[in-house]
Amino acid sequence: DAKTTQPTSMDCAEGRAANLPCNHSTISGNEYVYWYRQIHSQGPQYIIHGLKNNETNEMASLIITEDRKSSTLILPHATLRDTAVYYCIVRSSSGGSYIPTFGRGTSLIVHP
Amino acid sequence: GAVVSQHPSWVICKSGTSVKIECRSLDFQATTMFWYRQFPKQSLMLMATSNEGSKATYEQGVEKDKFLINHASLTLSTLTVTSAHPEDSSFYICSAHVRATGELFFGEGSRLTVL
Repeated sequence: DAKTTQPTSMDCAEGRAANLPCNHSTISGNEYVYWYRQIHSQGPQYIIHGLKNNETNEMASLIITEDRKSSTLILPHATLRDTAVYYCIVRSSSGGSYIPTFGRGTSLIVHP
Repeated sequence: GAVVSQHPSWVICKSGTSVKIECRSLDFQATTMFWYRQFPKQSLMLMATSNEGSKATYEQGVEKDKFLINHASLTLSTLTVTSAHPEDSSFYICSAHVRATGELFFGEGSRLTVL
């Protein structure tokens, strides 16, 4: 069973920031938060991951709460091409929980 | 970033035939690969974990004799759907795990349609 919960769908205006929340209240100390997205009929694409510090790369920013029970993926200037299903998963880099399992994700629609 | 390639990207076959899908890590070695199945409008469902040189570990409810997985080298894992039926029609996706960094890279997916 997936260990994260996400809203089923969200929408965002093009050019605005998209903030996608994820709840992972049962996360353990050695588990990272990973975000992937899947554009229709393609394999998932890695976006970003983090352990407890906030992270930023060329695609997005990841904000993790201090208690690590939730996080938010931020796409600072959403474009139409960011329309996709976004998956938040928690997993460790080794050991039993490194096997990645996916929940239903959030379907983000970016509109003009 | 690392690249994982799947082949074929799509295949149509007759009921009763077998179909092989390849998953290759192109610029790194993957001791572990995962196979997923995805039905329309649903999430990825883990089918099995494939470890190089050993038997795959199948998730509950996945028939190991129907979905044959071979991981003979550090860069190649194959999934063979044997005696395919229309209900096996789905989008099959592989991913490769990089042990040193914990990163996970996904293939482009293979769409199987069984007539």
